[in-house]
Amino acid sequence: AQSVTQPDIHITVSEGASLELRCNYSYGATPYLFWYVQSPGQGLQLLLKYFSGDTLVQGIKGFEAEFKRSQSSFNLRKPSVHWSDAAEYFCAVGSSGTYKYIFGTGTRLKVLA
Amino acid sequence: ETGVTQTPRHLVMGMTNKKSLKCEQHLGHNAMYWYKQSAKKPLELMFVYNFKEQTENNSVPSRFSPECPNSSHLFLHLHTLQPEDSALYLCASSQVASGTDTQYFGPGTRLTVL
Repeated sequence: AQSVTQPDIHITVSEGASLELRCNYSYGATPYLFWYVQSPGQGLQLLLKYFSGDTLVQGIKGFEAEFKRSQSSFNLRKPSVHWSDAAEYFCAVGSSGTYKYIFGTGTRLKVLA
Repeated sequence: ETGVTQTPRHLVMGMTNKKSLKCEQHLGHNAMYWYKQSAKKPLELMFVYNFKEQTENNSVPSRFSPECPNSSHLFLHLHTLQPEDSALYLCASSQVASGTDTQYFGPGTRLTVL
Protein backbone atom coordinates (compact mmCIF):
# COMPACT_ATOMS: atom_id res chain seq x y z
CA ALA A 1 0.00 0.00 0.00
CA GLN A 2 1.14 3.52 -0.72
CA SER A 3 1.53 5.68 2.33
CA VAL A 4 3.41 8.50 3.98
CA THR A 5 4.18 8.38 7.68
CA GLN A 6 5.11 11.35 9.80
CA PRO A 7 5.68 9.69 13.16
CA ASP A 8 5.81 12.88 15.22
CA ILE A 9 2.45 14.60 15.62
CA HIS A 10 3.90 17.42 17.72
CA ILE A 11 7.45 18.68 18.16
CA THR A 12 8.62 21.47 20.45
CA VAL A 13 12.01 23.09 20.07
CA SER A 14 13.66 26.18 21.47
CA GLU A 15 14.42 29.08 19.19
CA GLY A 16 17.90 28.69 17.76
CA ALA A 17 17.92 24.91 18.20
CA SER A 18 18.23 22.52 15.30
CA LEU A 19 15.23 20.73 13.88
CA GLU A 20 14.59 17.45 12.13
CA LEU A 21 11.13 16.33 11.04
CA ARG A 22 10.79 12.75 9.95
CA CYS A 23 9.02 11.38 6.89
CA ASN A 24 8.88 7.79 5.71
CA TYR A 25 7.06 6.64 2.62
CA SER A 26 5.91 3.49 0.91
CA TYR A 27 5.44 3.97 -2.84
CA GLY A 28 5.51 1.68 -5.84
CA ALA A 29 6.91 4.02 -8.47
CA THR A 30 9.94 6.29 -8.50
CA PRO A 31 8.90 8.89 -5.96
CA TYR A 32 8.73 12.62 -6.17
CA LEU A 33 8.92 13.95 -2.62
CA PHE A 34 7.71 17.23 -1.19
CA TRP A 35 7.58 19.16 2.02
CA TYR A 36 4.92 21.78 2.56
CA VAL A 37 4.33 24.17 5.45
CA GLN A 38 0.97 25.46 6.63
CA SER A 39 0.52 28.40 8.95
CA PRO A 40 -2.77 28.66 10.87
CA GLY A 41 -5.69 29.49 8.58
CA GLN A 42 -3.50 29.38 5.49
CA GLY A 43 -2.94 27.08 2.55
CA LEU A 44 0.08 24.88 1.99
CA GLN A 45 3.31 26.52 0.90
CA LEU A 46 5.94 24.46 -0.89
CA LEU A 47 9.20 24.33 1.05
CA LEU A 48 11.19 22.03 -1.19
CA LYS A 49 10.94 19.06 -3.52
CA TYR A 50 13.01 16.14 -4.72
CA PHE A 51 12.67 14.62 -8.17
CA SER A 52 16.08 13.17 -8.94
CA GLY A 53 19.80 13.87 -8.71
CA ASP A 54 21.47 15.19 -5.60
CA THR A 55 19.78 13.60 -2.61
CA LEU A 56 20.25 16.70 -0.44
CA VAL A 57 17.87 19.41 -1.54
CA GLN A 58 17.71 22.99 -0.41
CA GLY A 59 14.46 24.85 0.04
CA ILE A 60 13.13 28.17 1.12
CA LYS A 61 13.44 29.66 4.63
CA GLY A 62 16.70 27.82 5.28
CA PHE A 63 15.22 24.32 5.17
CA GLU A 64 16.83 21.28 3.59
CA ALA A 65 15.84 17.64 3.19
CA GLU A 66 17.73 14.48 2.43
CA PHE A 67 16.36 11.62 0.35
CA LYS A 68 17.51 8.20 1.54
CA ARG A 69 16.22 5.52 -0.79
CA SER A 70 17.46 2.65 1.34
CA GLN A 71 15.47 3.95 4.32
CA SER A 72 12.49 5.23 2.30
CA SER A 73 12.88 8.50 4.12
CA PHE A 74 12.86 12.18 3.30
CA ASN A 75 13.58 14.04 6.53
CA LEU A 76 13.37 17.81 6.78
CA ARG A 77 16.05 19.75 8.65
CA LYS A 78 16.89 23.24 9.70
CA PRO A 79 20.07 24.14 11.62
CA SER A 80 18.57 26.99 13.64
CA VAL A 81 14.83 27.41 14.14
CA HIS A 82 13.17 30.82 14.25
CA TRP A 83 9.94 31.60 16.10
CA SER A 84 8.27 32.23 12.74
CA ASP A 85 8.82 28.57 11.81
CA ALA A 86 6.02 27.52 14.14
CA ALA A 87 3.49 25.88 11.82
CA GLU A 88 2.36 22.49 10.57
CA TYR A 89 4.59 20.59 8.17
CA PHE A 90 3.40 18.05 5.64
CA CYS A 91 5.38 15.50 3.70
CA ALA A 92 3.94 14.23 0.40
CA VAL A 93 4.87 11.74 -2.30
CA GLY A 94 3.85 11.59 -5.94
CA SER A 95 5.36 10.64 -9.27
CA SER A 96 5.72 11.94 -12.80
CA GLY A 97 2.43 12.37 -14.61
CA THR A 98 0.27 11.45 -11.64
CA TYR A 99 -2.49 13.59 -10.23
CA LYS A 100 -2.44 12.01 -6.84
CA TYR A 101 -0.18 13.02 -4.05
CA ILE A 102 -0.19 11.04 -0.86
CA PHE A 103 0.14 13.29 2.15
CA GLY A 104 1.25 12.52 5.65
CA THR A 105 -0.87 13.58 8.60
CA GLY A 106 1.45 16.44 9.43
CA THR A 107 3.79 17.47 12.25
CA ARG A 108 2.92 20.52 14.29
CA LEU A 109 5.98 22.50 15.31
CA LYS A 110 6.01 24.71 18.37
CA VAL A 111 8.93 27.06 18.96
CA LEU A 112 9.80 28.25 22.46
CA ALA A 113 11.28 31.70 22.87
CA GLU B 1 -2.59 38.56 -8.77
CA THR B 2 -0.19 35.65 -8.65
CA GLY B 3 -0.38 31.99 -7.69
CA VAL B 4 -3.65 30.38 -6.68
CA THR B 5 -6.46 32.45 -5.21
CA GLN B 6 -9.63 31.28 -3.48
CA THR B 7 -12.82 33.08 -2.53
CA PRO B 8 -14.41 33.41 -0.13
CA ARG B 9 -11.84 32.83 2.61
CA HIS B 10 -14.54 32.07 5.16
CA LEU B 11 -18.07 30.77 4.67
CA VAL B 12 -20.81 29.92 7.14
CA MET B 13 -23.86 28.22 5.74
CA GLY B 14 -26.92 26.38 6.88
CA MET B 15 -27.69 22.86 5.83
CA THR B 16 -30.31 24.00 3.34
CA ASN B 17 -28.22 26.70 1.67
CA LYS B 18 -26.56 26.60 -1.72
CA LYS B 19 -23.17 28.26 -2.07
CA SER B 20 -20.13 28.07 -4.31
CA LEU B 21 -16.40 28.19 -3.70
CA LYS B 22 -14.19 29.73 -6.36
CA CYS B 23 -10.58 29.05 -7.26
CA GLU B 24 -8.43 30.79 -9.84
CA GLN B 25 -4.88 29.93 -10.83
CA HIS B 26 -2.54 32.39 -12.51
CA LEU B 27 0.27 29.92 -13.19
CA GLY B 28 -0.70 28.62 -16.63
CA HIS B 29 -1.18 25.11 -15.29
CA ASN B 30 -3.28 22.40 -16.93
CA ALA B 31 -4.62 20.62 -13.84
CA MET B 32 -6.64 21.82 -10.87
CA TYR B 33 -7.63 20.07 -7.67
CA TRP B 34 -10.04 20.29 -4.75
CA TYR B 35 -8.89 18.95 -1.39
CA LYS B 36 -10.68 18.72 1.94
CA GLN B 37 -8.67 19.24 5.10
CA SER B 38 -10.33 18.17 8.34
CA ALA B 39 -8.78 18.25 11.78
CA LYS B 40 -6.57 15.28 12.57
CA LYS B 41 -7.04 13.70 9.13
CA PRO B 42 -4.74 13.57 6.11
CA LEU B 43 -5.57 15.80 3.20
CA GLU B 44 -8.35 14.23 1.16
CA LEU B 45 -8.27 14.62 -2.60
CA MET B 46 -11.81 15.27 -3.81
CA PHE B 47 -11.67 16.13 -7.51
CA VAL B 48 -9.09 16.56 -10.24
CA TYR B 49 -9.52 18.36 -13.54
CA ASN B 50 -7.01 18.08 -16.36
CA PHE B 51 -7.57 20.43 -19.29
CA LYS B 52 -11.09 21.05 -17.99
CA GLU B 53 -11.94 17.35 -17.96
CA GLN B 54 -12.67 15.66 -14.68
CA THR B 55 -10.20 12.84 -14.22
CA GLU B 56 -10.72 12.01 -10.58
CA ASN B 57 -13.69 11.83 -8.26
CA ASN B 58 -12.78 10.16 -5.02
CA SER B 59 -16.23 8.94 -4.02
CA VAL B 60 -17.30 12.41 -3.04
CA PRO B 61 -20.98 12.81 -2.06
CA SER B 62 -23.17 14.40 -4.71
CA ARG B 63 -23.86 17.38 -2.46
CA PHE B 64 -20.45 18.57 -3.70
CA SER B 65 -20.52 19.46 -7.39
CA PRO B 66 -17.37 20.68 -9.15
CA GLU B 67 -17.23 22.82 -12.25
CA CYS B 68 -14.22 23.72 -14.38
CA PRO B 69 -15.20 26.16 -17.16
CA ASN B 70 -11.60 26.66 -18.28
CA SER B 71 -8.13 25.65 -17.18
CA SER B 72 -7.76 28.71 -14.93
CA HIS B 73 -10.99 28.52 -12.96
CA LEU B 74 -12.48 25.88 -10.70
CA PHE B 75 -15.67 25.98 -8.68
CA LEU B 76 -17.11 23.79 -5.97
CA HIS B 77 -20.88 24.07 -5.71
CA LEU B 78 -22.31 23.15 -2.34
CA HIS B 79 -25.89 22.19 -1.46
CA THR B 80 -27.61 20.52 1.47
CA LEU B 81 -24.35 20.05 3.32
CA GLN B 82 -23.95 18.30 6.65
CA PRO B 83 -22.15 19.60 9.75
CA GLU B 84 -19.38 17.03 9.17
CA ASP B 85 -18.59 18.82 5.90
CA SER B 86 -17.16 21.70 7.93
CA ALA B 87 -13.48 21.85 6.98
CA LEU B 88 -10.83 23.83 5.15
CA TYR B 89 -11.26 23.39 1.40
CA LEU B 90 -8.06 23.82 -0.53
CA CYS B 91 -7.61 24.34 -4.23
CA ALA B 92 -4.36 23.49 -5.99
CA SER B 93 -2.97 23.51 -9.50
CA SER B 94 -0.10 21.85 -11.30
CA GLN B 95 1.40 21.27 -14.72
CA VAL B 96 1.02 17.54 -15.03
CA ALA B 97 3.39 15.42 -17.11
CA SER B 98 5.94 18.19 -17.39
CA GLY B 99 8.51 16.19 -15.49
CA THR B 100 8.27 18.56 -12.58
CA ASP B 101 4.75 17.94 -11.35
CA THR B 102 4.40 20.19 -8.36
CA GLN B 103 1.10 21.21 -6.83
CA TYR B 104 0.67 24.80 -5.70
CA PHE B 105 -2.04 25.54 -3.19
CA GLY B 106 -4.37 28.41 -2.56
CA PRO B 107 -5.05 29.82 0.93
CA GLY B 108 -8.23 27.79 1.35
CA THR B 109 -11.85 28.46 2.25
CA ARG B 110 -12.81 27.76 5.85
CA LEU B 111 -16.33 26.33 5.65
CA THR B 112 -18.63 26.01 8.64
CA VAL B 113 -21.94 24.20 8.22
CA LEU B 114 -24.49 24.92 10.92
